[in-house]
Amino acid sequence: KAGVTQTPRYLIKTRGQQVTLSCSPISGHRSVSWYQQTPGQGLQFLFEYFSETQRNKGNFPGRFSGRQFSNSRSEMNVSTLELGDSALYLCASSSTGDGGADTQYFGPGTRLTVL
Amino acid sequence: DQQVKQNSPSLSVQEGRISILNCDYTNSMFDYFLWYKKYPAEGPTFLISISSIKDKNEDGRFTVFLNKSAKHLSLHIVPSQPGDSAVYFCAASLSSTDSWGKLQFGAGTQVVVTP
Repeated sequence: KAGVTQTPRYLIKTRGQQVTLSCSPISGHRSVSWYQQTPGQGLQFLFEYFSETQRNKGNFPGRFSGRQFSNSRSEMNVSTLELGDSALYLCASSSTGDGGADTQYFGPGTRLTVL
Repeated sequence: DQQVKQNSPSLSVQEGRISILNCDYTNSMFDYFLWYKKYPAEGPTFLISISSIKDKNEDGRFTVFLNKSAKHLSLHIVPSQPGDSAVYFCAASLSSTDSWGKLQFGAGTQVVVTP
């Protein structure tokens, strides 16, 4: 089975721009979660989608948004980029998103640099 | 508030010896714990998990121990190999509707295996 894929792998943007990142989950997985990794804050949960619905959201401003399509592929969007948005953005997929016994598998990440 | 803590930022171990990584948590409601391994500029790779109803789980060279009364888990790697040099993250999740798809991560432990 193919793993989680993310595109693009690297992005350079300037302050004020917006960016869209894409994630394709493992085949059959319906839950997609997004995380931000920075040196100062570690791995922080952004949001989770299941069957095209956002079920859970972390503590990030409204500039961070996402969506999921009927084939479970997901995108996240960051508008009005700030320097502090520079980070590794990770997507993870799992079967159900049920925290009790459902393992998340991660993609390689998208490295976003904001200048 | 950091509910999952890895208090050792780094660990150096000789090839062939045992690596022991520790993780503490504060939320007694966590019911699933996972360990991930991460290389720079890559996504975390799932290693092993344990449900809160168990106290031990083994997979090859990796064993995870859970002590619920102490809110502590550990990962043992035996024997350690040079390819094990990476950052190891402990993560925890809850089986509740307001925690869908959300993993809470520790800050990570950098492991260096020396010849």
